Amino acid sequence: EPEVTQTPSHQVTQMGQEVILRCVPISNHLYFYWYRQILGQKVEFLVSFYNNEISEKSEIFDDQFSVERPDGSNFTLKIRSTKLEDSAMYFCASSGGTGYTFGSGTRLTVV
Amino acid sequence: QKEVEQDPGPLSVPEGAIVSLNCTYSNSAFQYFMWYRQYSRKGPELLMYTYSSGNKEDGRFTAQVDKSSKYISLFIRDSQPSDSATYLCAMSPSNTGKLIFGQGTTLQVKP
Repeated sequence: EPEVTQTPSHQVTQMGQEVILRCVPISNHLYFYWYRQILGQKVEFLVSFYNNEISEKSEIFDDQFSVERPDGSNFTLKIRSTKLEDSAMYFCASSGGTGYTFGSGTRLTVV
Repeated sequence: QKEVEQDPGPLSVPEGAIVSLNCTYSNSAFQYFMWYRQYSRKGPELLMYTYSSGNKEDGRFTAQVDKSSKYISLFIRDSQPSDSATYLCAMSPSNTGKLIFGQGTTLQVKP
């Protein structure tokens, strides 16, 4: 069964450092998303991406965040200057219009 | 009022029991309704995907949507210990729009 692949599975970074989280969506999907889940809290929407541009973003997705589809297969989330409160699970998802498939997530720990 | 409300539980049932999980929502624009299963520190796994009101059955799982009451349910028949997980409801106004998640209900099925 097709799956969404995320790397790394766990990343530890120092506050103020830049991190890039990587995702390979399902190959025939056209809609891509990033969500995050702080420990013990809801899964929250960050951003959606279609046709090489952001289609929607949440209030969380401020100027510290950016997304990119650098080639035909990868989809990345960059956090420019990490804060302690950015510590969370980050999930990439993709959709072909009949449901959203999520990756296993990257656990980001900011110290 | 929260956009999507879900009782976090925990819910503990004996093996073989019928489990009922529920969510209520406030946004009448929601048209697409999903149930995800999430194991600890893993990504959400799509279980059921429904559009508008009605029932959908898949094996031991049945999803119900009542848009007039803004209420959705997931029933699990003949529950198994392997069903022990957190169950998330999620919904969206479109089939590619952002998902709004409930808090998740933690289910434990005891042998």
